[in-house]
Amino acid sequence: DQQVKQNSPSLSVQEGRISILNCDYTNSMFDYFLWYKKYPAEGPTFLISISSIKDKNEDGRFTVFLNKSAKHLSLHIVPSQPGDSAVYFCAASDRGSTLGRLYFGRGTQLTVWP
Amino acid sequence: KAGVTQTPRYLIKTRGQQVTLSCSPISGHRSVSWYQQTPGQGLQFLFEYFSETQRNKGNFPGRFSGRQFSNSRSEMNVSTLELGDSALYLCASSEQGGYGYTFGSGTRLTVV
Repeated sequence: DQQVKQNSPSLSVQEGRISILNCDYTNSMFDYFLWYKKYPAEGPTFLISISSIKDKNEDGRFTVFLNKSAKHLSLHIVPSQPGDSAVYFCAASDRGSTLGRLYFGRGTQLTVWP
Repeated sequence: KAGVTQTPRYLIKTRGQQVTLSCSPISGHRSVSWYQQTPGQGLQFLFEYFSETQRNKGNFPGRFSGRQFSNSRSEMNVSTLELGDSALYLCASSEQGGYGYTFGSGTRLTVV
């Protein structure tokens, strides 16, 4: 049973515009959320995280928003750059920032075109 | 600071054989987890180790096992390989209370 869902397998955005990647979860015990980026033949790279006590976290061009009542989070990338083209994974933990097991979505392939 | 090192990078094995994969975490990281990535299932959790103790295990058959050594290095073993075990196996490490696992580049296992 997929507890973390990324319903869009792909997203295509023009360079300079905003990319919005979405993620939904079903387990109300999840209290820490992360986004990872993955290039082919490499391991996932940690991008940004958010605790359930917050509704927004920013780091440079990346902002993650959390809507607990809707069990929904999103990653905004502004402005998008061609180097952002990769697969983005949403992940969740039910052990706060001590992480433990992560539950991953199946990923969204982001393509940023010039 | 060196990253998470996984060896070997690529491996081809025959059905029925067994395989051992190795992971060296970032220095100072005591938590190590393993994930299996396949096109159909995404990233699936295998195990989590902390200070040589398995803290959590995913929903995989008993053919999948692992261990962690006193220097935090970890190995996972798959016995009686099946074609469906072909996947990218990823190891990740973190500090206790860390803010995100750091993943290695993975071991690509192909079972023929």
